[in-house]
Amino acid sequence: EEQLLESGGTLAQPGGSLRLSCAGSGFTFRNYDMSWVRQAPGKGLEWVSAISGSGGRTHYADSVKGRFTISRDNPENTLYLQMNNLRVEDTAVYYCAKRENQYDSRGYPTEKWYFDLWGRGTLVSVSS
Amino acid sequence: AIQMTQSPSSLSASVGDRVTITCRASQGIRSDLGWYQQKPGRPPKLLIFAASSLQTGVPSRFSGSGSGTHFTLTISSLQPEDFATYYCLQDYNYPFTFGPGTKVDIK
Repeated sequence: EEQLLESGGTLAQPGGSLRLSCAGSGFTFRNYDMSWVRQAPGKGLEWVSAISGSGGRTHYADSVKGRFTISRDNPENTLYLQMNNLRVEDTAVYYCAKRENQYDSRGYPTEKWYFDLWGRGTLVSVSS
Repeated sequence: AIQMTQSPSSLSASVGDRVTITCRASQGIRSDLGWYQQKPGRPPKLLIFAASSLQTGVPSRFSGSGSGTHFTLTISSLQPEDFATYYCLQDYNYPFTFGPGTKVDIK
């Protein structure tokens, strides 16, 4: 069974740092792009960051660019989010998600992408 | 970044009702749009990808349509388990962006 399990969420101070982890199992981790998505209390979903399967390409939301760094350890099947210079507005549940590509009947990718697997989330609270 | 809007922001409906939610993109995104359902305390669940493709295991009462800048999610006959918040997500280019969500509750 495919699974994602986030960890590392805790209470942090403004200006502080935190590293989140997301352990994948049940699938070939290195083959998939991965993302972090967050949700502030009572608010909507916000895409945060993405990384390619090899780790060679990364992308960030403007709200976290320059403060957060996404990375992965494929032999360990783990995704990370290093969060520096934390702000009160970074308080949220952080989800990791696996990005899948639909394949046709011949086994060729169709370029139809989606997030098919999500973890249960880890809560980050930033407060003094 | 591409901006996504959704309407309505909330709606009240009864079991058996037909429900339509609209999502608009600030620029053309081809058909690179997904619909996700979220219930309180749970992660999002994929319903529709590529604007109109039904995810495996999702009931056929859910359907999606649209391309370019205008998209819709339709629930043909609302069931009790469908009361939730629905989000669209553009994955046409980075940074990906979600719509603000549509909360569907019981009338």
